[in-house]
Amino acid sequence: GQQVMQIPQYQHVQEGEDFTTYCNSSTTLSNIQWYKQRPGGHPVFLIQLVKSGEVKKQKRLTFQFGEAKKNSSLHITATQTTDVGTYFCAGDSSNTGKLIFGQGTTLQVKP
Amino acid sequence: DAGVTQSPTHLIKTRGQQVTLRCSPKSGHDTVSWYQQALGQGPQFIFQYYEEEERQRGNFPDRFSGHQFPNYSSELNVNALLLGDSALYLCASSFPGAHGYTFGSGTRLTVV
Repeated sequence: GQQVMQIPQYQHVQEGEDFTTYCNSSTTLSNIQWYKQRPGGHPVFLIQLVKSGEVKKQKRLTFQFGEAKKNSSLHITATQTTDVGTYFCAGDSSNTGKLIFGQGTTLQVKP
Repeated sequence: DAGVTQSPTHLIKTRGQQVTLRCSPKSGHDTVSWYQQALGQGPQFIFQYYEEEERQRGNFPDRFSGHQFPNYSSELNVNALLLGDSALYLCASSFPGAHGYTFGSGTRLTVV
C-alpha cells in the first residue's frame, strides 16, 4: 500500500536557525497537505500543494512539491519558539480525501 | 463559528468492551473522516463518510465501524476492544473541493 516517509524524525535548533523537513511518497500524489500539531494538540492545516513543482510561501514557511509529485518539503526560515511542534505531511494519491500521513518531524527550538 | 467538536474527550474502557465516539463537523462541512493516532505516530486513516455513506476505508478491521447522520455528524464504533486500540481518535471535516481538513481535539481512548 501507499507509504509516506518523513525525515528527520526530530530536529533541535537554536532560535533563529533554519529548519527543513522532507516528505517522500511511494506513489504519485494528487495533492499533498501539511499540518502542524502542537504538543497535546490536534493537527492544524497549513497548506495544500497540487501542481508539479509548485512552491508556496506563508511568511517564514516555504512549501515545495516535487516535479514528480512524489516528494515535498517544508522550510522554515529563522525559527521562533512559536514554531515548536510536530509537522506532518499527508498525501492523497487519488484525490478522494484519503490522506496518508507521514510519521512527522518534531521541531524543538531553543531560545 | 464552531469548529469540529468531539466527545467525549477522554475515555477508559476494558478489553472486550465496545465504545462509541462522536463528532460534529464544522459548520458548512459535510464530509467527515476518522483517524487513529498512536503516541508518537502520524494519524492513520480509518474511514470517511459523505452523504451518510462510507466512501473510503483504510486498513482497519471490521471491528471499526461508523455512521453519518443527516445533519452530517458522525459516530465511530469500535467493538471487542484490544489494548492496541488505545490511541487518540481524531475526527476531521471538510467539504468537496476544499483544501485541507479541520480536525477536532480528539478523544483519548485508553483500553485496560
